[in-house]
Amino acid sequence: NAGVTQTPKFQVLKTGQSMTLQCAQDMNHNSMYWYRQDPGMGLRLIYYSASEGTTDKGEVPNGYNVSRLNKREFSLRLESAAPSQTSVYFCATDRRSGNTIYFGEGSWLTVV
Amino acid sequence: GQQLNQSPQSMFIQEGEDVSMNCTSSSIFNTWLWYKQDPGEGPVLLIALYKAGELTSNGRLTAQFGITRKDSFLNISASIPSDVGIYFCAGGYGGSQGNLIFGKGTKLSVKP
Repeated sequence: NAGVTQTPKFQVLKTGQSMTLQCAQDMNHNSMYWYRQDPGMGLRLIYYSASEGTTDKGEVPNGYNVSRLNKREFSLRLESAAPSQTSVYFCATDRRSGNTIYFGEGSWLTVV
Repeated sequence: GQQLNQSPQSMFIQEGEDVSMNCTSSSIFNTWLWYKQDPGEGPVLLIALYKAGELTSNGRLTAQFGITRKDSFLNISASIPSDVGIYFCAGGYGGSQGNLIFGKGTKLSVKP
C-alpha cells in the first residue's frame, strides 16, 4: 500500500458531527477514489476523480462530499455523520481510470 | 448497481492444497483484477488482466481472463498459511468510466 496515505486511521464521531478524511498519493496517478467496505457488502465506490479538477459520484454518494485539492490529494467529507456511515473507508488511486487500482491502508470510522 | 458473483464465499485450506476461486458477471469487462486483503489492511493487488484469454502468473498464483470477458478465475497452488485472507475480484471498463466493480470476496481460512 505504499504511496497512498490516509488520515486518520481511526475516528469516533457523534451523530451529526462533521469530519474530513484525507488522502494523499505520491504515485503521480491521475485518478483517485473513495470506497467504503462493510461486512457482506464488499467494496462500494462513494466518489471518484478521474483527473485533477473533476469528481463524479459512485454507487453510494449520499451523505458525502469530496474535493480533489490537487493531483496528490483527494478528501472525503461527512457533513453530518450518521450511524449508517460507520464503515471502513479506503482511498485508492490509479494511473488511468478503471485500470489498476492501488489502495491505502484504510480509515476505521465509527458513528455513535 | 452491477455486481460480480464471486465464489466460493469461504473455504478452508490445508497447507499444500491447491485453491481455486472465480468471478462471473452478466456484463463484459475490459479489465479483471485480483486483490488480497489481510485483517486491518487495505486490499493489495495480486494480478491484473487486460486481455480476453490472458493467463498470468505471480509466483504460486495464476489468474485467467475468460474469453467471454464475463468471468475470471484465480488459482493458488501449494497453499501456505500466509495465503489466509480475503480475496476480491474486480472488473473494470477502463477509459473514462472510472471505477471498478468488486466481488464480495472469498475468505480463505486454515482448516483446524
